[in-house]
Amino acid sequence: EDQVTQSPEALRLQEGESSSLNCSYTVSGLRGLFWYRQDPGKGPEFLFTLYSAGEEKEKERLKATLTKKESFLHITAPKPEDSATYLCAVLPMGAQKLVFGQGTRLTINP
Amino acid sequence: DAGITQSPRHKVTETGTPVTLRCHQTENHRYMYWYRQDPGHGLRLIHYSYGVKDTDKGEVSDGYSVSRSKTEDFLLTLESATSSQTSVYFCAISERTSGNTIYFGEGSWLTVV
Repeated sequence: EDQVTQSPEALRLQEGESSSLNCSYTVSGLRGLFWYRQDPGKGPEFLFTLYSAGEEKEKERLKATLTKKESFLHITAPKPEDSATYLCAVLPMGAQKLVFGQGTRLTINP
Repeated sequence: DAGITQSPRHKVTETGTPVTLRCHQTENHRYMYWYRQDPGHGLRLIHYSYGVKDTDKGEVSDGYSVSRSKTEDFLLTLESATSSQTSVYFCAISERTSGNTIYFGEGSWLTVV
């Protein structure tokens, strides 16, 4: 069964304190791994797609990396506006349906 | 902005009444989805569509039906609303030419009393 597990469930950081969020996945074949950001009362906002192990993508203070078993979302010198829930999802090979993790709720204190 | 409009954005309805949520897209994408999001369960797929009149069930389809008569519109109907269907509902779209990325709408908050 395709499965996605995100850790930690919640993370509090001070402004400027870098850290990483983890997304572990189990799929028969990976077509793509997606990261989304979700603010309270809003829909998930697309951040990155990763397709193969070793791939990395960056956007402002965020960098996503991918191995054969997990993905990391690294946040460097975060600001309070980076506070949100970050969702990871996988698209299994041969499917057109995403499998989502539970999300990591990130809070950045000023 | 992913070109997705959901309506209504907020609705309160009574148990046993039918409810229809509408998703409208301006991107001409082939795939459309309905998800629900609940605390402790995350995002769960209800139904999806891979073309006009082509739909399939997701993991939590019981009590829901969908219709897609035009590329741009995907309707989700709760035939007889129950309190367990109180949730936030998200419509999403994707197209293989965009790398299968799925884009979400802003959500429809439904309360069944």
